[in-house]
Amino acid sequence: DTGVSQNPRHKITKRGQNVTFRCDPISEHNRLYWYRQTLGQGPEFLTYFQNEAQLEKSRLLSDRFSAERPKGSFSTLEIQRTEQGDSAMYLCASSLVSAQAREQYFGPGTRLTVT
Amino acid sequence: SQKIEQNSEALNIQEGKTATLTCNYTNYSPAYLQWYRQDPGRGPVFLLLIRENEKEKRKERLKVTFDTTLKQSLFHITASQPADSATYLCANGGSQGNLIFGKGTKLSVKP
Repeated sequence: DTGVSQNPRHKITKRGQNVTFRCDPISEHNRLYWYRQTLGQGPEFLTYFQNEAQLEKSRLLSDRFSAERPKGSFSTLEIQRTEQGDSAMYLCASSLVSAQAREQYFGPGTRLTVT
Repeated sequence: SQKIEQNSEALNIQEGKTATLTCNYTNYSPAYLQWYRQDPGRGPVFLLLIRENEKEKRKERLKVTFDTTLKQSLFHITASQPADSATYLCANGGSQGNLIFGKGTKLSVKP
């Protein structure tokens, strides 16, 4: 399967714990995005990378959140000192930047539940 | 700020009918709009992209229109089937290439 993969698919953690999610994009895609989605809402942008450089961060991304994309391949999203409000589906997407290509390819998401 | 609105949270139709979903935008003029399908527990799947200079785009039973005067895009599924039941998301590209999504419309096609 050459699509976007995310691990784990589900994560249950206690409030105050740290969690880390991984995203493996489509191999030739140079852009990688993280989104968060809560029930009944569309995905909300968190941050994105072009190759290994993190180029934009949303105001939604508090200082408890950090993302990396070493070597421009896979990416990790870490949440420190989790809060119940962090419970959501975390989606990763990748795309190939070009004048014509604008669509993004999403992974299956990581469902986080903070108890 | 840029805003995408999908006013219908849910749409119920009978199999074989045409489903029409609406997406409105305010405070800006997008260069393009995209439509995605999302099934429960899964990530969105890209369906169609329409640019501001295109009035209409088709793909099999899907059709998207873009009316810059009304600031609206319509998404049609003709000859709908129960397998078309899903949430459909409208999205516009943000300043950095990120997508700004509407809340989605949940379509239910009854046999």
